Amino acid sequence: DTAVSQTPKYLVTQMGNDKSIKCEQNLGHDTMYWYKQDSKKFLKIMFSYNNKELIINETVPNRFSPKSPDKAHLNLHINSLELGDSAVYFCASSPLPSGGLVETQYFGPGTRLLVL
Amino acid sequence: DQQVKQNSPSLSVQEGRISILNCDYTNSMFDYFLWYKKYPAEGPTFLISISSIKDKNEDGRFTVFLNKSAKHLSLHIVPSQPGDSAVYFCAASVKGGGSNYKLTFGKGTLLTVNP
Repeated sequence: DTAVSQTPKYLVTQMGNDKSIKCEQNLGHDTMYWYKQDSKKFLKIMFSYNNKELIINETVPNRFSPKSPDKAHLNLHINSLELGDSAVYFCASSPLPSGGLVETQYFGPGTRLLVL
Repeated sequence: DQQVKQNSPSLSVQEGRISILNCDYTNSMFDYFLWYKKYPAEGPTFLISISSIKDKNEDGRFTVFLNKSAKHLSLHIVPSQPGDSAVYFCAASVKGGGSNYKLTFGKGTLLTVNP
């Protein structure tokens, strides 16, 4: 009963291809995120969705398009893949912040993307 | 622009001794700090957090200390166990940021606890 799951776990593809990464959470959380961990090991937020609505978009190229069909799913579609897109992509979820409190984020296992 | 810095990429300690992981931040708006632990091929898992109104928070073997004037926090693990070997990420946020809040992470410190 994985809390936050991602598929696929590994993805190797050619430059120029289009690919999708799926994320699902069964925690009943309202907010979901995509993070990118690049070769320098920084974990940086890309997007945040709250109840299917885009909340945060951190200057990510528009080749990256998140889609949230419902609040339990947040998928990431990447068009025209480039070498620099090679990274580990983590999905996360959290309850909706309330009372001014920062809620803990729960991470998926990551998707290792390699663009050749 | 690294707003959260973990200047030690790695740390090695003996089992039973204390592990001290350090984190510095530059953004004075940060007022909530978290530590995450990450094993290989897994996602980060939440470990402990501290609000800026406190200078210490303890949870079992894990204690986080916050020095706001120095913009510095540290995670103490005592006694260290081999199972603690992992990458530890420091993260910071602005509390009360509503649904727009986000976590800013450091690069992580690889802790190795030797038996």
